[in-house]
Amino acid sequence: DIQLTQSPSFLSASVGDRVAITCRASQGVNSYVAWYQQKPGKAPQLLIYTTSTLYTGVPSRFSGSRSETEFTLTITSLLPGDSGNYFCQHHLAFGGGTKVEIK
Amino acid sequence: QLQLQESGPGLVKPSETLSLTCTVSGGSIRSSPYYWGWIRQSPEKGLEWIASLYSTGNTYSTFYNPSLESRVIISLDTSKNQFSLNVTSVTAADTAVYYCARDTRQLELNQWYISEIDYWGQGTLVTVSS
Repeated sequence: DIQLTQSPSFLSASVGDRVAITCRASQGVNSYVAWYQQKPGKAPQLLIYTTSTLYTGVPSRFSGSRSETEFTLTITSLLPGDSGNYFCQHHLAFGGGTKVEIK
Repeated sequence: QLQLQESGPGLVKPSETLSLTCTVSGGSIRSSPYYWGWIRQSPEKGLEWIASLYSTGNTYSTFYNPSLESRVIISLDTSKNQFSLNVTSVTAADTAVYYCARDTRQLELNQWYISEIDYWGQGTLVTVSS
């Protein structure tokens, strides 16, 4: 089974910063990796799918990229509303999550 | 606007059966090319995909997480635009927030892959305890 390892598990950044979250697959995968944002007490919300395609209504501050088995979610110009947990997903597997805190 | 809403008991006794229903509004559960399923989340295991189903025309298929397959049944009620989850012989390890969700899949090299999970219910906490 494919395992997805996210790093870091926690990051703290300031408004306006650029942050990157990585998701490493335990073996070769295709491009069907998605990213989700989850606020406390809420369901995850789709941000990006198929590695780099922005979901409807998601700001262009969010972007996705890939280098072999490592997938990256980048958020530029961090806003207070970007705090929360972020998860990657490939098919039936989910990453362990990254908690983003705004200083 | 598509909406999904979970319903069911919030407390289940050990060894009993957990039963949840997801009501879909704003769209048909038989619309192609979507899959409908259940995902749960707990602090111990994180997000865990449980099962999905696909129904359109004369096609009806179900898919299960191999680690849960022996205890899980997913089913469909098209007349009510609902789908349901039953998990038998529950233990404390089944305590989680359960989400129903819609996903889209893509075919690559003869295998279907989830490309995105675009609609989620709000989630319902199910606690297994006596």
